[in-house]
Amino acid sequence: DTGVSQNPRHKITKRGQNVTFRCDPISEHNRLYWYRQTLGQGPEFLTYFQNEAQLEKSRLLSDRFSAERPKGSFSTLEIQRTEQGDSAMYLCASSFGTGFYTGELFFGEGSRLTVL
Amino acid sequence: EDKVVQSPLSLVVHEGDTVTLNCSYEVTNFRSLLWYKQEKKAPTFLFMLTSSGIEKKSGRLSSILDKKELFSILNITATQTGDSAVYLCAVESAGGTSYGKLTFGQGTILTVHP
Repeated sequence: DTGVSQNPRHKITKRGQNVTFRCDPISEHNRLYWYRQTLGQGPEFLTYFQNEAQLEKSRLLSDRFSAERPKGSFSTLEIQRTEQGDSAMYLCASSFGTGFYTGELFFGEGSRLTVL
Repeated sequence: EDKVVQSPLSLVVHEGDTVTLNCSYEVTNFRSLLWYKQEKKAPTFLFMLTSSGIEKKSGRLSSILDKKELFSILNITATQTGDSAVYLCAVESAGGTSYGKLTFGQGTILTVHP
């Protein structure tokens, strides 16, 4: 499968625990995005990487959230001290873009987080 | 703050019907408007629109953008049960170092009955 891969697909955790999600983008894609989607809503932008540089973070991303993309390949999204409000689907997307050209975003199937 | 509003929020039709989904937006530094289809998994790309008045078509689906009135429509003709999904509209804004940052609407849930 050469699409965007995310794991784990499902994570159930207790409030206060830390969780980490991984995203493997399409190999030649230089841009990587994290979005969060709650039930009945469209995805909300969280953060964006071009290669290994994190270029933008949403105000939705509190200090408990951190994302990395070492070496410009896979990315991780860590949530510390999870809260019930963090329960959502976390979507990763990637694209190949140069300058102003973004290219089509390809989404992974998401990592669903449930915080008890 | 960028905003995208879709209507209706849900729609129930029978196979063979034609549907029109609406998307209006307010965004600074508009670059493009995109439509995605989401079944119980990842959103899949349908169309990207950047210019007003130019219809994009793919089979039974078509879409058009009006940059003056700030809206887009997605038409699906001769609907099939496989068209049942959430249809998401998103607008890409440009500014600073950020590209491909999408603001999504809440989606239209389309249900097609046999």
